[in-house]
Amino acid sequence: QSLLTQPPSVSGAPGQRVTISCTGSSSNIGAGYDVNWYQHLPGTAPKLLIYANSNRPSGVSDRFSGSKSGTSASLAITGLQAEDEADYYCQSYDSSLSGSVFGGGTKVTVL
Amino acid sequence: EVRLLESGGGLVQPGGSLRLSCAASGFAFSGYSMTWVRQAPGKGLEWVSGISGSGIDTYYAESVKGRFTISRDISKTTVYLQMNSLRADDTAVYYCAKGLFFGGYPTPFDYWGQGTLITVSS
Repeated sequence: QSLLTQPPSVSGAPGQRVTISCTGSSSNIGAGYDVNWYQHLPGTAPKLLIYANSNRPSGVSDRFSGSKSGTSASLAITGLQAEDEADYYCQSYDSSLSGSVFGGGTKVTVL
Repeated sequence: EVRLLESGGGLVQPGGSLRLSCAASGFAFSGYSMTWVRQAPGKGLEWVSGISGSGIDTYYAESVKGRFTISRDISKTTVYLQMNSLRADDTAVYYCAKGLFFGGYPTPFDYWGQGTLITVSS
């Protein structure tokens, strides 16, 4: 059971907007630690999509955006494309564990 | 170009040991923290261990504390994960990853290797 809770799956039609939530607690997101988001296709290396809550690394499409409020964060994907089908993970730091934590992951399906 | 290449994976019996290596290139190795993350079959990503750029500070998930040891050799620009007392639930693909921020920890992980598979089974 991860300390960061994500929905197991979300889906949307091409062109739609989907959001993925990441709910933490006062020892991680609520303590002010940044949230990062990764995209992972099976058999490949995970890719950093969003860092420090809302920042995109160079080369990441602006269709991906992140936000954080209180003990939660969210990732939004606009203009959904078939290539966006992947698993998405939030990640933060937890002070009670003195280590990083990942959410359980959310599978995005493009209908 | 940043490159991370893991090696050392394979089949090991329960209770056995294995050492993973992650050869890094393309960046100022000693300035960035490094991390190991694993993914068990059918499961999500799990943070395993991290080490500061200097190698002085190390961090471990509760599930591996006391069994795994992370280290780095700056001269060889390589990070290691020594895994002892291996259990079936350690079976996973192990990825090494580089910290995004120079000198910082905790930090996001901006570059990842392709992973190496560890199977713990008799």
